[in-house]
Amino acid sequence: GAGVSQTPSNKVTEKGKYVELRCDPISGHTALYWYRQSLGQGPEFLIYFQGTGAADDSGLPNDRFFAVRPEGSVSTLKIQRTERGDSAVYLCASSVSGEISQETQYFGPGTRLLVL
Amino acid sequence: AQSVTQLGSHVSVSEGALVLLRCNYSSSVPPYLFWYVQYPNQGLQLLLKYTTGATLVKGINGFEAEFKKSETSFHLTKPSAHMSDAAEYFCAVAPRGAGSYQLTFGKGTKLSVIP
Repeated sequence: GAGVSQTPSNKVTEKGKYVELRCDPISGHTALYWYRQSLGQGPEFLIYFQGTGAADDSGLPNDRFFAVRPEGSVSTLKIQRTERGDSAVYLCASSVSGEISQETQYFGPGTRLLVL
Repeated sequence: AQSVTQLGSHVSVSEGALVLLRCNYSSSVPPYLFWYVQYPNQGLQLLLKYTTGATLVKGINGFEAEFKKSETSFHLTKPSAHMSDAAEYFCAVAPRGAGSYQLTFGKGTKLSVIP
């Protein structure tokens, strides 16, 4: 079956611009996660959705970052006033219910964001 | 707070040789433990995980890992490397109980396999 998909695969923008990154989770998965992977680092947790609500947004670095999941399926990560330090690969993952000991988080291929 | 240390950002082995990728964690309570693999332009794929029970865990593609509480380690091994094993490997942990959905990753180890 289809896995987690993310669009676009690459995004180049200028400092100060607004960007949206999209994630399509596996159908039926209620749990959705965003991670950020900077060059030479492992992924870092940003936010966790359970259904339509953000259950934990403690990893968002500042108020320029925001994510939504209005219908409990597709999610959009929004970054305002982009900075060069935002350049990274943004990963999305989904799982059946969010209980990690019982299930697997499936990751998408990521969106590579470059802020010039 | 939990943390993960992967010793060696880059490991090279000959085809057919033993693969050993090291992972140590720091946590007041032993967490759930994971190994993920990342092939170029692909998403992270779960290799194996330890949650409870037997401390030697077998995963996909012939990999296994052993949880050693006394050493706070979860090293990944494979008896005989194959060219297709060349990839980046990430060790990760998640807390037991509250926040158990949140993976904390190490910096990764890039495995090269020499023919």
